[in-house]
Amino acid sequence: KAGVTQTPRYLIKTRGQQVTLSCSPISGHRSVSWYQQTPGQGLQFLFEYFSETQRNKGNFPGRFSGRQFSNSRSEMNVSTLELGDSALYLCASSFRGPTGANVLTFGAGSRLTVL
Amino acid sequence: KQEVTQIPAALSVPEGENLVLNCSFTDSAIYNLQWFRQDPGKGLTSLLLIQSSQREQTSGRLNASLDKSSGRSTLYIAASQPGDSATYLCAVDTDKLIFGTGTRLQVFP
Repeated sequence: KAGVTQTPRYLIKTRGQQVTLSCSPISGHRSVSWYQQTPGQGLQFLFEYFSETQRNKGNFPGRFSGRQFSNSRSEMNVSTLELGDSALYLCASSFRGPTGANVLTFGAGSRLTVL
Repeated sequence: KQEVTQIPAALSVPEGENLVLNCSFTDSAIYNLQWFRQDPGKGLTSLLLIQSSQREQTSGRLNASLDKSSGRSTLYIAASQPGDSATYLCAVDTDKLIFGTGTRLQVFP
């Protein structure tokens, strides 16, 4: 079955612009979470959506926002881009396995460069 | 605040060696611990998931252990191969995944 699809894979923006990234989860997965990966900070949790509702949120400014649609696809938006927003943005779709563990599958990521 | 640390940060070994990667976390209140592999410029691939009630998990040449009381996990890679070269990340699952800093592994022929 198809994996997690993230688009676009690469993009370049300038400071002050905004960007929207898309994530299509594995069919049947209702939870989507987003992470930011930078060389300095590593992988950091942004937010998680489940059935169109934000279930959890990391410690990022309000410029970072997201949403989830009824088909479980998710988008994240970053407004007023800063140089420090340059990163690999990873999306993961997940389900709770029979043991209760949150089983995640990651997409290949969207690499954002802010100039 | 949960903090996850991995040592060593980087490791370079000849093919065939047995390896141990370490992960430590500060708060034992976790649901589970997961080990991931990341190839350059790519997403993460799940390797092993250890429930909080378990002590270890095995998959092929990989074995992961968990000691919640001491806040430690180890990933053991047997008979390493050049294809094992990647960054290995551990993550603890609280109500979200908190990742460690990663160990960059290079296995040379």
